[in-house]
Amino acid sequence: EPEVTQTPSHQVTQMGQEVILRCVPISNHLYFYWYRQILGQKVEFLVSFYNNEISEKSEIFDDQFSVERPDGSNFTLKIRSTKLEDSAMYFCASSVAPSGRGTDTQYFGPGTRLTVL
Amino acid sequence: DQQVKQNSPSLSVQEGRISILNCDYTNSMFDYFLWYKKYPAEGPTFLISISSIKDKNEDGRFTVFLNKSAKHLSLHIVPSQPGDSAVYFCAARDNNAGNMLTFGGGTRLMVKP
Repeated sequence: EPEVTQTPSHQVTQMGQEVILRCVPISNHLYFYWYRQILGQKVEFLVSFYNNEISEKSEIFDDQFSVERPDGSNFTLKIRSTKLEDSAMYFCASSVAPSGRGTDTQYFGPGTRLTVL
Repeated sequence: DQQVKQNSPSLSVQEGRISILNCDYTNSMFDYFLWYKKYPAEGPTFLISISSIKDKNEDGRFTVFLNKSAKHLSLHIVPSQPGDSAVYFCAARDNNAGNMLTFGGGTRLMVKP
């Protein structure tokens, strides 16, 4: 069964450093997402991406964050200058259907645990 | 922002019995609801979904009920199995806000043998 994959599973970085989290969405999916879950808190939406551009983003997704689909398979989340409060599990997800047309079940990857020291 | 709430942080059920997990929401624009199951150190796994035009959707042991007037949905698992022990999240989509999902805080289900 196709699945979303993410690398690395755990990333430790120093405050102020740049990190890139990588995801390989399910191959026939068209919509890509990043969510995060700070320990003990809810899963929160960060950004959605379609047709090589951001379609929605939350307040969390400020100028320190960026997303890219550098090739036909990878989808990346970059944090330019990490802060302590960026420590969280980051989940990538993908879906096949566009918004408002039938179901658009989002399938999640296993997550990357980011620890900022 | 508490648009989606799961008021029970945990639930313990005996194997073979029914598990009922509840979720309440406040945004009347939500049109699609999903339940995800999550094991520690793994991503959320999709379980079952329901569109706002329906009031029930069933898939094997899992049934989701939607009461739009009460802004309430529930997930029923019958019969419960020890392997069902996990954290269950409900999530909702506002069609006017694109594809983003708003999650509840989760309910930890423990199914005792």
